[in-house]
Amino acid sequence: GIQVEQSPPDLILQEGANSTLRCNFSDSVNNLQWFHQNPWGQLINLFYIPSGTKQNGRLSATTVATERYSLLYISSSQTTDSGVYFCAVELEEKGGTSYGKLTFGQGTILTVHP
Amino acid sequence: GAVVSQHPSRVICKSGTSVKIECRSLDFQATTMFWYRQFPKQSLMLMATSNEGSKATYEQGVEKDKFLINHASLTLSTLTVTSAHPEDSSFYICSASPTARGRPQHFGDGTRLSIL
Repeated sequence: GIQVEQSPPDLILQEGANSTLRCNFSDSVNNLQWFHQNPWGQLINLFYIPSGTKQNGRLSATTVATERYSLLYISSSQTTDSGVYFCAVELEEKGGTSYGKLTFGQGTILTVHP
Repeated sequence: GAVVSQHPSRVICKSGTSVKIECRSLDFQATTMFWYRQFPKQSLMLMATSNEGSKATYEQGVEKDKFLINHASLTLSTLTVTSAHPEDSSFYICSASPTARGRPQHFGDGTRLSIL
């Protein structure tokens, strides 16, 4: 199956710092999403970004589908940004049998100190 | 936007009990829903694909007789953990998407299951 690798596994920042999280995947994908999982386990959908660049406030993401990677940028980090960030992809399969099925990376644990 | 509701959010019960978890798409129809499981400090792993009006498709290593899935309507899928044991304790979370392709998956808030 498709492999999804996220880096770094852990990241510790001071409030106000910027950071870049990376997601590499091993095959062509139909879908790529970035999530923030908060301490209660809720998955917050940050970006749906199978290709291109999107921005939402202090967060932005870029996916280069041809090179099979995606980047999540967090600027001016805040303590509320702490948590686990997941990248998840849907394999592009002929016949559509995997439609909607997401494979998650192992996540990046972000800790932002005041 | 698309909303997925999952209930209950937390269950604590004795070993041997069967537990039913509901996943509802509130403002769209979904022919397919997905059930994931997450153990502490690990990532989410797909357990099964719930198909409206037909049998669920289970991932390798997931016991279909242990985890019963019913998708009786376009807005509701249920996961029943039968005769639950402590090793079934985990965080279970469902996802769904509007039927059209090219849409993001939307996740419920998850169910934290603790078997004593």
